[in-house]
Amino acid sequence: DGGITQSPKYLFRKEGQNVTLSCEQNLNHDAMYWYRQDPGQGLRLIYYSQIVNDFQKGDIAEGYSVSREKKESFPLTVTSAQKNPTAFYLCASSMGTSGKGYEQFFGPGTRLTVL
Amino acid sequence: DQQVKQNSPSLSVQEGRISILNCDYTNSMFDYFLWYKKYPAEGPTFLISISSIKDKNEDGRFTVFLNKSAKHLSLHIVPSQPGDSAVYFCAARIHGANNLFFGTGTRLTVIP
Repeated sequence: DGGITQSPKYLFRKEGQNVTLSCEQNLNHDAMYWYRQDPGQGLRLIYYSQIVNDFQKGDIAEGYSVSREKKESFPLTVTSAQKNPTAFYLCASSMGTSGKGYEQFFGPGTRLTVL
Repeated sequence: DQQVKQNSPSLSVQEGRISILNCDYTNSMFDYFLWYKKYPAEGPTFLISISSIKDKNEDGRFTVFLNKSAKHLSLHIVPSQPGDSAVYFCAARIHGANNLFFGTGTRLTVIP
């Protein structure tokens, strides 16, 4: 079955620690994205990658870092510099800008809680 | 600055009636619009989309209307079913870009 997996579903972190959220897709999509959702707010873009070994900052990249060493994987690291890291994190992928590649497919999300 | 706005945070509709969810946008460079449905603690799932060259797109019980002059789109669900109860997000794409701009969502409750 093709899709996007995120792990873990729930994650707890002590203040001051870095944590990495996993995102894997087997849809052969070129583009991948990380969003953050807070209560009462829409999805805000953290980082996105259009191709392997390339990524761009989104609207709220401060305190986060990413890598794109493989097409299938786009891990997100929440660093201790992120002031309000408690949120629901969503990973997505899409074919890209060509053809009908606008639709993004989302993973199930990871809820991160900083204690 | 929110470029995609969903001004109604919630909507309640009786089962079998029509649900109309609204979305406004400010950026005239948007050329593609999408609606996503989201259940709690899950990722959004794609519902329906529309290109800016069209004013209507229909898929079963779901129809999206686009009024470019008013920078407004709406999602109609007919007939509404209890399983439609979820948060609906409107999203838009700038021509040539990959990333989407999302609204804040409208929580739809369909009452049996």
